[in-house]
Amino acid sequence: GAGVSQSPSNKVTEKGKDVELRCDPISGHTALYWYRQRLGQGLEFLIYFQGNSAPDKSGLPSDRFSAERTGESVSTLTIQRTQQEDSAVYLCASSPGLAVTGELFFGEGSRLTVL
Amino acid sequence: AQSVAQPEDQVNVAEGNPLTVKCTYSVSGNPYLFWYVQYPNRGLQFLLKYITGDNLVKGSYGFEAEFNKSQTSFHLKKPSALVSDSALYFCAVRLTNQAGTALIFGKGTTLSVSS
Repeated sequence: GAGVSQSPSNKVTEKGKDVELRCDPISGHTALYWYRQRLGQGLEFLIYFQGNSAPDKSGLPSDRFSAERTGESVSTLTIQRTQQEDSAVYLCASSPGLAVTGELFFGEGSRLTVL
Repeated sequence: AQSVAQPEDQVNVAEGNPLTVKCTYSVSGNPYLFWYVQYPNRGLQFLLKYITGDNLVKGSYGFEAEFNKSQTSFHLKKPSALVSDSALYFCAVRLTNQAGTALIFGKGTTLSVSS
């Protein structure tokens, strides 16, 4: 597609349930990022994928969070046993590669509400 | 550790007046600096970046930013604000020697332009 696509756009779930959020990056972009945006707070880095290299998981807040990416395509962020503090907008971004000068292209986000 | 600070949660200006959104950074090396804008219910959009060269960089929608190494600042500016500029603005940094790393974002500043 022309831009980064995320689904679902909105997800309401009950505390303790597992959720999966999907990101489809711009075709040809080798780098993919997940960020979390909680109400009134900035963007919190979660995880970063670059090609076939091992992902940078340094931002994942707990072992309930995990993400996968197959090759240079779709990524899935999974949150297990959701908690109310997981409520946030989860933003995915992609970029063409390793260049430090490159800007990120963001999707519109998946808004997660944990009741 | 590198970090970005946006000291103002909100900036209010009247349409037609100049605007400034402040950003300071703390890094141990040379930074690459970015500004992004987020309109309501939308993903982040790239505005401009400082890589090297002229300290004054120009970006989209008439925005510009000035890199000041001695003050470790990268303030976003526009000579004449529009109501449509009302949005959430994020400053971000990446170190020049950290290829393949995620951008670190500030907490964001809400710009409100009144007519």
